[in-house]
Amino acid sequence: QSALTQPASVSGSPGQSITLSCTGSSTDVGDYNYVSWYQHIPGKAPKLLIYEVSDRPVGVSYRFSGSKSGNTASLTISGLRAEDEADYYCASYTNTNNWVFGGGTKLTVL
Amino acid sequence: QVKLQESGPGLVRPSQTLSLTCTVSGVSFTSHGYFWTWVRQRPGKGLEWIGFIYFSGTTYYSPSLKSRLTMSVDPSKNQFSLKLSSATAADTARYYCARVYARDWYFDYWGQGTPVTVSS
Repeated sequence: QSALTQPASVSGSPGQSITLSCTGSSTDVGDYNYVSWYQHIPGKAPKLLIYEVSDRPVGVSYRFSGSKSGNTASLTISGLRAEDEADYYCASYTNTNNWVFGGGTKLTVL
Repeated sequence: QVKLQESGPGLVRPSQTLSLTCTVSGVSFTSHGYFWTWVRQRPGKGLEWIGFIYFSGTTYYSPSLKSRLTMSVDPSKNQFSLKLSSATAADTARYYCARVYARDWYFDYWGQGTPVTVSS
């Protein structure tokens, strides 16, 4: 199973909105709504931001939102803050009870 | 509060078996509807799913690791474990354990991860 495709890096200024993409295929992102997003600061536990494409767990800021179109899922962060600087990973359930992660996007807040 | 803590040797010799344990606290390990999983991150790379296990022992493994992987559970100790045989330098990574909510399929609680180096 190939990893989902994410841009290696993205940057933005405080207050801006940025969108991170996650491209898969018809056997994962395109076929299931079990797409989730995670914020990861190296050395720490990854944090769940979005599940089932666009649902937010209790406690996660409204500034994080998710969507999907075809084989591509997206995470939008609005009102960018310095504390948002981290690595972001998407993940998708696939056929045959497998899981696949994206390669990760490093977000830099300028 | 749900907590997961990985433990195991930080150094493994090539061709030996890499063994790790995850201890779960703050929640019933045998709760229905949750799988327990391992994920790793090799140096400079993204996250890689390794496999799932249910408290009953049912497993799902990544196809790329299936031939070398064994996962097991010990409900009496609230623990689940990973064994990866014939380790190579390519298995050098930070290994994370996590809980998966099976109804909506997401990883809701993670451990901090433990680094493992495969080297002679």
